[in-house]
Amino acid sequence: NAGVTQTPKFRILKIGQSMTLQCTQDMNHNYMYWYRQDPGMGLKLIYYSVGAGITDKGEVPNGYNVSRSTTEDFPLRLELAAPSQTSVYFCASKRLAGGGVVAYEQYFGPGTRLTVT
Amino acid sequence: GESVGLHLPTLSVQEGDNSIINCAYSNSASDYFIWYKQESGKGPQFIIDIRSNMDKRQGQRVTVLLNKTVKHLSLQIAATQPGDSAVYFCAESRSSNTGKLIFGQGTTLQVKP
Repeated sequence: NAGVTQTPKFRILKIGQSMTLQCTQDMNHNYMYWYRQDPGMGLKLIYYSVGAGITDKGEVPNGYNVSRSTTEDFPLRLELAAPSQTSVYFCASKRLAGGGVVAYEQYFGPGTRLTVT
Repeated sequence: GESVGLHLPTLSVQEGDNSIINCAYSNSASDYFIWYKQESGKGPQFIIDIRSNMDKRQGQRVTVLLNKTVKHLSLQIAATQPGDSAVYFCAESRSSNTGKLIFGQGTTLQVKP
């Protein structure tokens, strides 16, 4: 298994441009998440999905959109890039809990480093 | 407001010593806690987790302690090695249906040879 993969690794955008960050997982996990990590800080949740066709906002959703048409893919869309969106973006996935297990850990991808100038 | 935070931003230890990284949380409704290790330029890597109905859990060289009375979580690393140098994050979950995690700011562990 490749786990969680993200592309691109790095990207520089001009203000007002748009782009899509790709995230794919091959573990058949139901749950997927997008976080951003600003320098010296913890991760903040942007959007999440509990299954194909279902998405919901996290803590910092403004300026972003997501879709989940398949179990494997969870792309994050930036429509009008702003300098405040300069950050490292992490995608994560998690299997559905059950069978007496209340929760499982999230598996993270390697991240996409985005700079908006 | 609700938050998950760490007591110290940086912890420096001698190789071979034990390390203790602390974390405070504010919501007594949290039912799942987890520690991640993040090396420079990489994504967070799972270390160990603990449910709220437990007060201690051990892994390989790591132990997590949960004190619900004072809402405190700690990560103990035995015989710290240079490869343990990283940023360590605690996170809490308040909704097992969505699995959403709330992360603290992180503690940098520096291991001196």
